[in-house]
Amino acid sequence: QSVLTQPPSASGTPGQRVTISCSGSSSNIGSNYVYWYQQLPGSAPKLLMYRNDQRPSGVPDRFSGSKSGTSASLAISGLRSEDEADYYCAAWDDSLRNWVFGGGTKLTVL
Amino acid sequence: QVQLQESGPRLVKPSETLSLICSVSGGSISTYYWSWTRQPPGKGLEWIGHIYYSGSTNYNPSLKSRVTISVDTSKNQFSLKLSSVTAADTAVYYCARDVGTNYGMDVWGQGTTVTVSS
Repeated sequence: QSVLTQPPSASGTPGQRVTISCSGSSSNIGSNYVYWYQQLPGSAPKLLMYRNDQRPSGVPDRFSGSKSGTSASLAISGLRSEDEADYYCAAWDDSLRNWVFGGGTKLTVL
Repeated sequence: QVQLQESGPRLVKPSETLSLICSVSGGSISTYYWSWTRQPPGKGLEWIGHIYYSGSTNYNPSLKSRVTISVDTSKNQFSLKLSSVTAADTAVYYCARDVGTNYGMDVWGQGTTVTVSS
């Protein structure tokens, strides 16, 4: 069981906007930044969002992140077929003193 | 451009020790933390632990009794040892540059699959 909670699946059609939620607690999301990773099939995770809402160089502005209290979300607008992947949220946990991940959300582009 | 590459045995027998090395190229290891994360087949990501270039470590409490992460700055490498392995330790193991709680794990290796089987 993962420390952070994500829905196991999400879906949308090309061009749509989808959001993926991530719920934690005061010791992780509530007191630290949230990160999002994209894992394409057969590939290593890739940093998609850092510090809640910052995009690394090269990540399209179709991707956006937000955080409120002990929850966070990733939004993808203008959905494209190449966005089909697993998405993981992560945060540092002050109590455990380790990085914790969500269980991952499999995004399907219909 | 920093790149990471995992290496080590792909097959480990139950009760033995899994050993992996992560080689860092394109930058010095003498900055930041360096992490190990694993992913069992069909499952999500599990953080194993990390090491600062100076040698200080943090480990996942669920694995702490079996894990040792070390760094060799002269070779620009860091390593993972996981003792007393079982089939539950079968996974893809990833190393990553861990820039801390302000920037996260920003560069990842391609991963290496380790199978625990007799």
